[in-house]
Amino acid sequence: GQQLNQSPQSMFIQEGEDVSMNCTSSSIFNTWLWYKQEPGEGPVLLIALYKAGELTSNGRLTAQFGITRKDSFLNISASIPSDVGIYFCAGLNSGGSNYKLTFGKGTLLTVNP
Amino acid sequence: NAGVTQTPKFRVLKTGQSMTLLCAQDMNHEYMYWYRQDPGMGLRLIHYSVGEGTTAKGEVPDGYNVSRLKKQNFLLGLESAAPSQTSVYFCASRSLRDRVTDTQYFGPGTRLTVL
Repeated sequence: GQQLNQSPQSMFIQEGEDVSMNCTSSSIFNTWLWYKQEPGEGPVLLIALYKAGELTSNGRLTAQFGITRKDSFLNISASIPSDVGIYFCAGLNSGGSNYKLTFGKGTLLTVNP
Repeated sequence: NAGVTQTPKFRVLKTGQSMTLLCAQDMNHEYMYWYRQDPGMGLRLIHYSVGEGTTAKGEVPDGYNVSRLKKQNFLLGLESAAPSQTSVYFCASRSLRDRVTDTQYFGPGTRLTVL
């Protein structure tokens, strides 16, 4: 099946630093999604990308859909303590009527105040 | 609007016991999903449903059964629990008509331990 390689697995940074994480796939996706999961909660969608080359921002977050459609990255600028959590990338191929996401294994972000 | 709710929040089972996890959504979504989350493994799809009365296998379906008798509910059953099924289980739902954001809405999770 399709697999997503997400890196890094974990990051420990100082408040105010910028963060970058990425996802690569062995196959093409039509949609890339980035989720954040806080402790004890389910994942929440941060950004959705629908077109190769697309660059989308949501506040301090910026994500890009790679030109090859096999990768995506997420940047967080000027990190703050509440950015702590696990960030997941997910790819979607919405063929037919079945919409199944393939998730990366996550990047655990720790922000030191 | 409660969104997606899961019952119970925590459960401890002995090997061989059975149980059912309940997922309920009040958003009238057509699609519903069950995932398990294990350390270092991300979210893996167990089963999903594209509508009332229909279910399909995901990536890791063995040892689980599901039913979608009502549109708003999606049940995940473990007939004979095994320690390998110790995990956090998440339910999610999605609208068929949500072609703009492809958003799956997740529940808060059920933490299951099998001894």
